[in-house]
Amino acid sequence: SAVISQKPSRDICQRGTSLTIQCQVDSQVTMMFWYRQQPGQSLTLIATANQGSEATYESGFVIDKFPISRPNLTFSTLTVSNMSPEDSSIYLCSVKGDREGPQHFGDGTRLSIL
Amino acid sequence: GQQVMQIPQYQHVQEGEDFTTYCNSSTTLSNIQWYKQRPGGHPVFLIQLVKSGEVKKQKRLTFQFGEAKKNSSLHITATQTTDVGTYFCAAPNNAGNMLTFGGGTRLMVKP
Repeated sequence: SAVISQKPSRDICQRGTSLTIQCQVDSQVTMMFWYRQQPGQSLTLIATANQGSEATYESGFVIDKFPISRPNLTFSTLTVSNMSPEDSSIYLCSVKGDREGPQHFGDGTRLSIL
Repeated sequence: GQQVMQIPQYQHVQEGEDFTTYCNSSTTLSNIQWYKQRPGGHPVFLIQLVKSGEVKKQKRLTFQFGEAKKNSSLHITATQTTDVGTYFCAAPNNAGNMLTFGGGTRLMVKP
């Protein structure tokens, strides 16, 4: 399966600031996704990162708060904007090679906002 | 939207005891996937079930897909401390391109 590098692995940020998380894959992948996992909770899909076009956001998530880029088939970024303590969470990127195959996850970014 | 319910939410077992987690969907699924997340780790894909009534085994883990393709289970025989973690089932949407994750079952094993 693809090797996925996600960084930073963790960060502590001040409220009101923004942080950009990077996801790099060692091979071209069709689909890339961004998830949020709040402490002790399941995974919630934020958006599907589309190569060369705007991301597709799930209900409850908006582009102004979580802008996403995907300039090519191996790289994507997620920005968490104007952070508040409620944004403290783990953010995970995942990839899949074919439509109905499994997803493979990066190590995640553990974000704490003070 | 699609919902995937998973029970129990938590399970404490003594090492050597068996463990089962159950996953239910309100709709018929094209497939179901299982993932394991160790404490502090990320979800790792375990298996995908596609056929009605399918049963697959991985060592002490047995995965089953219901006849109606609306439910699934994961059974671990003789748990070990290395089995500790949260087990998630996940089901694709109708288009097959996105997953909805169940709430997860957190397994704790007492040595």
